[in-house]
Amino acid sequence: QQQVKQSPQSLIVQKGGISIINCAYENTAFDYFPWYQQFPGKGPALLIAIRPDVSEKKEGRFTISFNKSAKQFSLHIMDSQPGDSATYFCAALGKGSARQLTFGSGTQLTVLP
Amino acid sequence: NAGVTQTPKFQVLKTGQSMTLQCAQDMNHEYMSWYRQDPGMGLRLIHYSVGAGITDQGEVPNGYNVSRSTTEDFPLRLLSAAPSQTSVYFCASSYSGGRGNYGYTFGSGTRLTVV
Repeated sequence: QQQVKQSPQSLIVQKGGISIINCAYENTAFDYFPWYQQFPGKGPALLIAIRPDVSEKKEGRFTISFNKSAKQFSLHIMDSQPGDSATYFCAALGKGSARQLTFGSGTQLTVLP
Repeated sequence: NAGVTQTPKFQVLKTGQSMTLQCAQDMNHEYMSWYRQDPGMGLRLIHYSVGAGITDQGEVPNGYNVSRSTTEDFPLRLLSAAPSQTSVYFCASSYSGGRGNYGYTFGSGTRLTVV
């Protein structure tokens, strides 16, 4: 019953290139969409997040694009660096008092030097 | 601030044994959650709490129990370990319910193997 679908499963880009990870959600019970970055042996760490009333949010080299009508959102990493090599998870935060995250399946990004 | 502290970092259990994974946070967060991470499946919610004395089930609660007697601690109990519970377990906390610039803070995880 995966409510947040993420693709691709793995991604290899050259240094300086653009990394793009896509996610889609299946219902409207979410009202906040964060992205988490995870390095091996570590817990996920909040990278960037967006509200559904905003179409784009940019923080440094990281940009979220959000399409509410299509129920899709994506992470763009500009000028990708080897240090960006990690697993990236999109997530959706549920409405109401519970406020819990539903995660996508993750994308393992490798940036070649 | 230590953030979210999980212990132990590694554990090997035999089938049928029980154990408790510890989670403590020093940020006075109201919301706390337990996730398991399995390859290709992302993180799946096991149990969560929105405050001391309040807990509820997530997506995959079977075989696990939780309690929240204090704001700081949220232990996860495996009642009778099974090989299917081999996974990496993460505890997370948030004061804002995951919104804003604070989001959820995750611990570094417990890698559990059940043989």
